[in-house]
Amino acid sequence: KQEVTQIPAALSVPEGENLVLNCSFTDSAIYNLQWFRQDPGKGLTSLLLIQSSQREQTSGRLNASLDKSSGRSTLYIAASQPGDSATYLCAASYGGATNKLIFGTGTLLAVQP
Amino acid sequence: EAGVAQSPRYKIIEKRQSVAFWCNPISGHATLYWYQQILGQGPKLLIQFQNNGVVDDSQLPKDRFSAERLKGVDSTLKIQPAKLEDSAVYLCASRSTKETQYFGPGTRLLVL
Repeated sequence: KQEVTQIPAALSVPEGENLVLNCSFTDSAIYNLQWFRQDPGKGLTSLLLIQSSQREQTSGRLNASLDKSSGRSTLYIAASQPGDSATYLCAASYGGATNKLIFGTGTLLAVQP
Repeated sequence: EAGVAQSPRYKIIEKRQSVAFWCNPISGHATLYWYQQILGQGPKLLIQFQNNGVVDDSQLPKDRFSAERLKGVDSTLKIQPAKLEDSAVYLCASRSTKETQYFGPGTRLLVL
């Protein structure tokens, strides 16, 4: 069964810290992996998408890595800000006709000013 | 460009009542998804449309849930009759030929 898990479920850090969010997936035959941000009462916003042939993707202060062999992805946030406070979800796609996303349960991040 | 629109934003109903949600995807996006997100969990795919055809509805509880996408644009998701465990956020997403899915703000359903 294809499952995605995220650890920790919640994280609180002081402003300015660098932090890492973890995502693991059971089936390594991944097509791509995406990281999303979800703010309270809002939908999901795509942050980064890593293809299976890639090792990492960067956007501003965000860097996501993918290690298919170990079934892991990490999202690194540099110099965290209070505005980064949100729930971060990772989702694995296995391609095929549907290319559907299998989501983790998310990490709730709070950045304290 | 305009994002994915959903309505209503909130709905409170009693169990055994029926409810319908509406989604307008980004213009030109052929693929449309409905997800169910229960509190504390990640979204779970209910149904996927490609234009007006169903690609995947394997996790849709078909005894009570139905969805349609007439003319390959707007879509509606219906629950009849609703159960307490249907309380969740219902998210609509759309995608073009590229892989990124764009999500709407969701409809928050509370079944009492």
